[in-house]
Order: sequence, then structure tokens, then C-alpha cells
Amino acid sequence: DIQMTQSPSAMSASVGDRVTITCRASQDIGNYLAWFQQKPGKVPKRLIYASSSLQSGVPSRFSGSGSGTEFTLTISSLQPEDFATYYCLQHNSYPSTFGQGTRLEIK
Amino acid sequence: QLQLQESGPGLVKPSETLSLTCTVSGGSITNSRYFWGWIRQPPGKGLEWIGSIYYSGTIYYNPSLKSRITLSVDTSKNQFSLKLRSVTAADTAVYYCTRDITLDYWGLGTLVTVSS
Repeated sequence: DIQMTQSPSAMSASVGDRVTITCRASQDIGNYLAWFQQKPGKVPKRLIYASSSLQSGVPSRFSGSGSGTEFTLTISSLQPEDFATYYCLQHNSYPSTFGQGTRLEIK
Repeated sequence: QLQLQESGPGLVKPSETLSLTCTVSGGSITNSRYFWGWIRQPPGKGLEWIGSIYYSGTIYYNPSLKSRITLSVDTSKNQFSLKLRSVTAADTAVYYCTRDITLDYWGLGTLVTVSS
């Protein structure tokens, strides 16, 4: 199985901050990576697919980049509604695997 | 607008079989572009991919669960289903049904508790 390692596992930041979350794959996955946001008690929501394509309706402050084994999710200017847990998902090969999650909290 | 809705018992006894169905509305499960699948999330923990099925019957399972799970599709009802045998407390989770390997659509999820 491909292992996805997210970092950090938790972080605190302030409204307006620029935030970057990293996901590393244990082997080359091309650009077969998606990012999800999950708020407490809610369904995960896809933000980014194909490493850098923004899901329709998602604010442009979210962006994704990377290919191969290293990927980043960037939030350019944190808004109050962005405090949540973020997961990456590789779907290059089965079984698809998630990162362990990054909890983003208010500082 | 595509919608997915999980249904099934919320409580299952240890050693029994967990059975869930996902009903798809607003689109056809025989759409040749998509796999349909299941994700689960134990309380307070991360997401785990369970498996995916294509309407024609191609199936991919998580090896960690492969010996206990069966996925199936009922195209006449626009539904797909999950059966997980010999459940234990470790199988307690919110179970989500999803579309596509990139998980672009999700059901609302259903909490299944394994307890006697």
C-alpha cells in the first residue's frame, strides 16, 4: 500500500495567515491526489483534485500543488470558516489511502 | 443534483454482518465514468477507504478488510451495497458512500455501532 504522511498533524494559526499543509507519498503517485476539508460532525468536502485543480465553488484562497511524492495544500489568507481538519487522498493505485489528517485550529 | 443516501441498521452485534445500502438519485449508477465506493471513519479518527465497485462488477477492496467484505450493485434500483462480516467493536464508525475514485460526491454518512 502507498503510505501518505501529512504534516503537521495539528497546527494553530490566525485569521489572515497563510497556511501550508504537506502530504508525502511513499512512492510516486503522479498527480493522483485530492484534498478534503472536514468540519466537526460534517461530511468531508473535496477542495482540490488532480493535485492542483480547484473544485467548483471552493474559494480561490485554496490551492494545491505538487506531483510525484510531495504535495501541498495552501490557504492564502485564513478565514474563520477554514478552521477544520484537512486530509489528502492518493488514488494512483489501490487501495486508495488517506493521510492521517491535519487539524487546523484558531490561535 | 446527484445525491447519495446510506441506509441500514445503526446497531450491529459483534460477530454479525453489517449491511449498508447506498441509494443514488439525480444520476445513473451505470454512468460509465464512475466507480462507486465506501469510506468509513471511526469516532474521533481519520478516514479509511473500504472499497470501490463499477456497475459492471469490477471491484477493488482494501486488503485489510478483503476477507470480510462484499460489495455489490443493483442497477435496477440504482443502488450499491456493502456487507462486512464478523464485525467487532473496531468496526464502529460512520460509513459514507461515495462517487468516483476522487470522492467528488459523498452521502451524509451513517453511524454504525457494534455492540451487544
